[in-house]
Amino acid sequence: RKEVEQDPGPFNVPEGATVAFNCTYSNSASQSFFWYRQDCRKEPKLLMSVYSSGNEDGRFTAQLNRASQYISLLIRDSKLSDSATYLCAVNGRAGGFKTIFGAGTRLFVKA
Amino acid sequence: GAVVSQHPSWVICKSGTSVKIECRSLDFQATTMFWYRQFPKQSLMLMATSNEGSKATYEQGVEKDKFLINHASLTLSTLTVTSAHPEDSSFYICSARDGTRGNEQFFGPGTRLTVL
Repeated sequence: RKEVEQDPGPFNVPEGATVAFNCTYSNSASQSFFWYRQDCRKEPKLLMSVYSSGNEDGRFTAQLNRASQYISLLIRDSKLSDSATYLCAVNGRAGGFKTIFGAGTRLFVKA
Repeated sequence: GAVVSQHPSWVICKSGTSVKIECRSLDFQATTMFWYRQFPKQSLMLMATSNEGSKATYEQGVEKDKFLINHASLTLSTLTVTSAHPEDSSFYICSARDGTRGNEQFFGPGTRLTVL
């Protein structure tokens, strides 16, 4: 079983749609959780850290369920510029704080 | 703040040569640096964890004699791909962790290696 698993995608949605990304992780000792965005041939950029209480940044909402070892990202009112690959990532002290990434879910937002 | 640079941004080399990639934290001291590799349409795969002044810890399946990592200072880590072959062609990305800023890692812009 992979340490971090994501929806395989790709997701094709029209502008304005709401899209949800799901991620599960296997290591219950994981401490920190993130969503990254990666554009083609670029390095990943941190989109949001994810907290147990849930957090929101504009159109983006991230949630963490430690009991289920599940992380989600919701994008509301999607824009063309949201088209990218979204990577779920986790890390923890037990692994020397190394960050393990999911395979990513590609999002295509179309006009 | 929290800027990480990589050099070179891209490199093309002949099979059998060695290539060195540098990763620098420009405005913070990186206690730990990480090296990732990403093949087309695949996710980032962690290759090794590098701590300043000590030997790198390699992930399973990564040849430590082929991918030499040196982390001689708190702002610089290097990855040397020795005797590169076409199958080593990939996007190599480093990240650095600033211990004063929690668990977040800051990524370099990546180095695209093409081995002919």
